[in-house]
Amino acid sequence: GAVVSQHPSWVICKSGTSVKIECRSLDFQATTMFWYRQFPKQSLMLMATSNEGSKATYEQGVEKDKFLINHASLTLSTLTVTSAHPEDSSFYICSAASPGGETQYFGPGTRLLVL
Amino acid sequence: AQKITQTQPGMFVQEKEAVTLDCTYDTSDPSYGLFWYKQPSSGEMIFLIYQGSYDQQNATEGRYSLNFQKARKSANLVISASQLGDSAMYFCAMREGGPHAGKSTFGDGTTLTVKP
Repeated sequence: GAVVSQHPSWVICKSGTSVKIECRSLDFQATTMFWYRQFPKQSLMLMATSNEGSKATYEQGVEKDKFLINHASLTLSTLTVTSAHPEDSSFYICSAASPGGETQYFGPGTRLLVL
Repeated sequence: AQKITQTQPGMFVQEKEAVTLDCTYDTSDPSYGLFWYKQPSSGEMIFLIYQGSYDQQNATEGRYSLNFQKARKSANLVISASQLGDSAMYFCAMREGGPHAGKSTFGDGTTLTVKP
């Protein structure tokens, strides 16, 4: 099946620094990508929908100035957590909509720990 | 109201037996898609099966089948001949609108444990 990669797989950073997470669709072009956040033992919470060449659409309650999303090409979307704080520690997962739009292919996730 | 409801926080099943994971949904959109994903402890979300609202037959993928009861708004996942490797968290999800509508809503998940 389709492959989506995420980099890095895990990151530890100091409070106040910014962290960039990359999401790549390796064998198909993804017009639309999604960014999720997941706390332990909980469901996935959609943060934003990323469309190539346009501004991301953020879900209610998600700070767009804190979670910067860029979808510069059909195979790459990035999420930058700016001025990270310990409460931003979480598991971040991206997904790419399949070419036909029927489903999403998920990346392996990125574990972020902010000290 | 929750759009996707998974009422079983945890389920146990004996190896080689079948298990049903429940999922009910709520939408007024006539066009929607229903999905099941598996999330093992590694965290990766694995797509299992898809059912479109207009599909006449229940979806099947190997040992996975989706029991789609449109009038009841339920989309239960049936795993036949459970294996130890099936132990994971399972999420039901719904996308409202046609295939290009975009985002999906996820249920709270069910943790399945397969006992040897």
